[in-house]
Amino acid sequence: DTEVTQTPKHLVMGMTNKKSLKCEQHMGHRAMYWYKQKAKKPPELMFVYSYEKLSINESVPSRFSPECPNSSLLNLHLHALQPEDSALYLCASSQGTGFTETQYFGPGTRLLVL
Amino acid sequence: DAKTTQPTSMDCAEGRAANLPCNHSTISGNEYVYWYRQIHSQGPQYIIHGLKNNETNEMASLIITEDRKSSTLILPHATLRDTAVYYCIVRGPNTGGFKTIFGAGTRLFVKA
Repeated sequence: DTEVTQTPKHLVMGMTNKKSLKCEQHMGHRAMYWYKQKAKKPPELMFVYSYEKLSINESVPSRFSPECPNSSLLNLHLHALQPEDSALYLCASSQGTGFTETQYFGPGTRLLVL
Repeated sequence: DAKTTQPTSMDCAEGRAANLPCNHSTISGNEYVYWYRQIHSQGPQYIIHGLKNNETNEMASLIITEDRKSSTLILPHATLRDTAVYYCIVRGPNTGGFKTIFGAGTRLFVKA
């Protein structure tokens, strides 16, 4: 089973709202990732967690706040977003963080900020 | 950092083999070639990866040239459901390491 699940599938929020995206995997993977994908563009890495600790933040604005409560769960807390933050947010996981580790992606959450 | 070059788009007839090329002329000896695809509005799907030998799995075959400067992903019998953007990615300790850095990819259209 190589399934990564993400909820919700779709989210519409105003610029003053606070919302959270959730990601879950039960493959025993110890690395989890958040990517952002704008329309007609490739995914871009936002954050990497390794063994539940944040190891990479790709200079993401603080209105995006990741959290890894345990090895199976990854959250992305959203606050005071801008319309340009509307995108597909993808979660991925891998066994470890070595460059030979295959990353498995979830279906994504499509976010619209009004 | 090794970069990849792929055609912007390709067509393939249903039932025929789809051969997707990728150029990675600056690849280093310890860098792997990965292929992912992304069907419209879904998350990227891992297809296959390799270092220097040709690889085959239930989805596709990966042919890497002897000098490793290019590779070809082969879908042996393309179906309409193979219509997607295909990403060729080089990963290694000097290419973002565990980061999966996506390029623009090739948009494959499989036609009936």
